[in-house]
Amino acid sequence: AQSVAQPEDQVNVAEGNPLTVKCTYSVSGNPYLFWYVQYPNRGLQFLLKYITGDNLVKGSYGFEAEFNKSQTSFHLKKPSALVSDSALYFCAVRPSGGYNKLIFGAGTRLAVHP
Amino acid sequence: DAGVIQSPRHEVTEMGQEVTLRCKPISGHNSLFWYRQTMMRGLELLIYFNNNVPIDDSGMPEDRFSAKMPNASFSTLKIQPSEPRDSAVYFCASSLRNLLPFFGQGTRLTVV
Repeated sequence: AQSVAQPEDQVNVAEGNPLTVKCTYSVSGNPYLFWYVQYPNRGLQFLLKYITGDNLVKGSYGFEAEFNKSQTSFHLKKPSALVSDSALYFCAVRPSGGYNKLIFGAGTRLAVHP
Repeated sequence: DAGVIQSPRHEVTEMGQEVTLRCKPISGHNSLFWYRQTMMRGLELLIYFNNNVPIDDSGMPEDRFSAKMPNASFSTLKIQPSEPRDSAVYFCASSLRNLLPFFGQGTRLTVV
């Protein structure tokens, strides 16, 4: 079955420290991978995506993610967290060969403390 | 562009009532998705339209749920009759062909 796992319900980070939000996937073929962020009472906003090419993808607001095919992972990272980064983060995968259907992980709440 | 527009933003209704959620996709987009977000199940795809035609409705939970897309600029998701377990945030998203989907701000539905 195709799935996305975000093993951490919540990640707590001190402002200024690096952050990592983990994501692993299980799909066949070469998937497209995405990160979205959801602020309170808002819709999902696109952060970054991996389609092909360089395994390190840079996105909005200083976020980046590294695609690791052997580990089937796509962890989201930022070198220095801001309090304003506190939000709900979703990893999503679009299986190759299909239509534009995204399979989402359960989400990870990031809390950045001053 | 104003993005994907959903209405209403919040809906509170009594059990047994009919609820209709509305979505206006981004102009020119030909794919439309309805998602449901709950604490228990996260984000689930309910139905996908391509060029106004329902392609995959396997995520629609039961016959109480129905979705229509009468034209390229409007879609509805209807629940009749509504039940408390339908309480969730419902998102509409649209995309151009297989490009990145853009999400609306969602409709928070509460069924009491």
